[in-house]
This record gives sequence, C-alpha cells and structure tokens, in this order.
Amino acid sequence: AQRVTQPEKLLSVFKGAPVELKCNYSYSGSPELFWYVQYSRQRLQLLLRHISRESIKGFTADLNKGETSFHLKKPFAQEEDSAMYYCALSSGRKLIFGQGTELSVKP
Amino acid sequence: DVKVTQSSRYLVKRTGEKVFLECVQDMDHENMFWYRQDPGLGLRLIYFSYDVKMKEKGDIPEGYSVSREKKERFSLILESASTNQTSMYLCASSLSRGTYYGYTFGSGTRLTVV
Repeated sequence: AQRVTQPEKLLSVFKGAPVELKCNYSYSGSPELFWYVQYSRQRLQLLLRHISRESIKGFTADLNKGETSFHLKKPFAQEEDSAMYYCALSSGRKLIFGQGTELSVKP
Repeated sequence: DVKVTQSSRYLVKRTGEKVFLECVQDMDHENMFWYRQDPGLGLRLIYFSYDVKMKEKGDIPEGYSVSREKKERFSLILESASTNQTSMYLCASSLSRGTYYGYTFGSGTRLTVV
C-alpha cells in the first residue's frame, strides 16, 4: 500500500539549531515526493519537490530509496520557519500526505 | 491574486443538515480535490475530479458526495451532517500533467457540526 509516515507530531528546536523533519514512504516504483508547508493563518503551499533537487528558504531534502526516506533538513533554523510541514507522495494525479509535523523554533 | 476560493471560512451546521462546501479556481486547472485536515491525521483525500462531470473516490468518501458541473467549480456535499464530520476542509486544484507543478490550495473551510 502507498503510504507516507511522519513519525514526529511536534519538533521543537532553538533558533540557529539544525532541524530535520522525518518522512518515510511506502511505494512500489519510482516515487515522486514533495514537502508542503502551512504557516499560521496561511494556505498550504508547496515548499519543494525532490525531482528539482532545489533548496528553498534554506531547506533541502534528499530522496534515499534504500531507506525509503525523504527527510527535510535545514542547518540553522529561524523563528519564521515555525509552521506545519507535510510530506507528500505522488500517486497518479493525486497526492498522499503524511500526518504532518509541527515545527516550533524558539528564540 | 486569489486563485482557489472557498466560499466560507467558518461554518456551523446542525446534525442531519445537508451541507454544501463550494470551491472555485480561476487557473483553468483540470484536476480538483477535496481533503479534510485533522490534527494527527494529516490530509485525507475525500474525492477528486479530473474533468467536468467526472469524479473519483478518495480514501474517505463515506458520507460525502461531490459535483463538478463546470471546470472551475467543485462542490463537496455532506448529505446528512454528523458530528464526526467536524473538521477543516481544504480544496485544491492542479494541472492535468500530474503533481509535478504542485497543488494550489484554498484557505480552507472550518466546519463545525453541532
């Protein structure tokens, strides 16, 4: 079955600390994976996609097919990074989302 | 600059009522989706549509139906609202080429069933 798992409901770090939001997936085939972010009182929006190998707002994510993971990383967290983060897996025309991780960056 | 508009931000309905949630997009997207967002459960797909008058069930379609009479509008219908349908409902749209270009989400409708 196709599934996305985000094991942490809440991740709390101090400003300037590294952050890693975990995402594991289950998919037979070559996966397309994404990270979406929802800041307080804002719409859910695309943060980055693995196929682009891009860095957005200092965040990167590497697809590890051996470990079936797509963890989101940032070397130095900022207070404005506080938000809800969702990992998502493409399945045809639709996305399968994980449970979400709330990132809280403390001053 | 708003591209996906959900008609209501907050809605309070009584148990047993028929509820309509409306979503309109102005980007000429082929695909439209309805998700519900619950803490600890993430986003779960209720229904989606890839063309006018076409619909497919998602993971949790029970108690819901949808209507897509025009390309830009996708309605979610709760036939007989129940308290376990209290949730945040998100509408999204995307191009037909799949998920690469991402979804555009609406701002959500927080529905409370009392």
